[in-house]
Amino acid sequence: DAGVIQSPRHEVTEMGQEVTLRCKPISGHNSLFWYRQTMMRGLELLIYFNNNVPIDDSGMPEDRFSAKMPNASFSTLKIQPSEPRDSAVYFCASSVNQGDRYEQYFGPGTRLTVT
Amino acid sequence: DQQVKQNSPSLSVQEGRISILNCDYTNSMFDYFLWYKKYPAEGPTFLISISSIKDKNEDGRFTVFLNKSAKHLSLHIVPSQPGDSAVYFCAAISGYALNFGKGTSLLVTP
Repeated sequence: DAGVIQSPRHEVTEMGQEVTLRCKPISGHNSLFWYRQTMMRGLELLIYFNNNVPIDDSGMPEDRFSAKMPNASFSTLKIQPSEPRDSAVYFCASSVNQGDRYEQYFGPGTRLTVT
Repeated sequence: DQQVKQNSPSLSVQEGRISILNCDYTNSMFDYFLWYKKYPAEGPTFLISISSIKDKNEDGRFTVFLNKSAKHLSLHIVPSQPGDSAVYFCAAISGYALNFGKGTSLLVTP
């Protein structure tokens, strides 16, 4: 049973370029989350989708960041234009609400380096 | 403002002994708590959870204790094994968002 799939695993790009990160959630999960991990701030939530609809994007740093979920099996996080301070590991996670269980399952992450 | 705090950045334990990882939180609205384990270059892996209506949950070698009055939870690993060496994150939920601590790096030595 495949877990959350993210691509690419590593991305190195120059400042000003557009970056697109991809995520395939676990089949049957109806919630999807994008997180960013940095040394300074740890793991922080960027955006949350439920049934493909963005519910909370208050964690998105600024207008350079955008996320979409065109269907239940695919989501993208785009940064345009990218800046060196965007360098971090970006995780996608998915979950399904079952009664009192709220576990989120994480992908392996995309390590982004912006030079 | 960090609502979930793991005040020990690292912990070293001998194989076979008990590992105790601690976590404190400030938001009394949190109603579900989780522990995640993370190896380098991998995503966090769900380990064990506890609802705020309980004070203990056990799964094999792993037990999580919740003290709501103290806003404190802990993860006990007994007996510790070298394969348990990883970073452990405490997380709390109110609604849907996971609020993570900054992690404790556990090293289990042979």
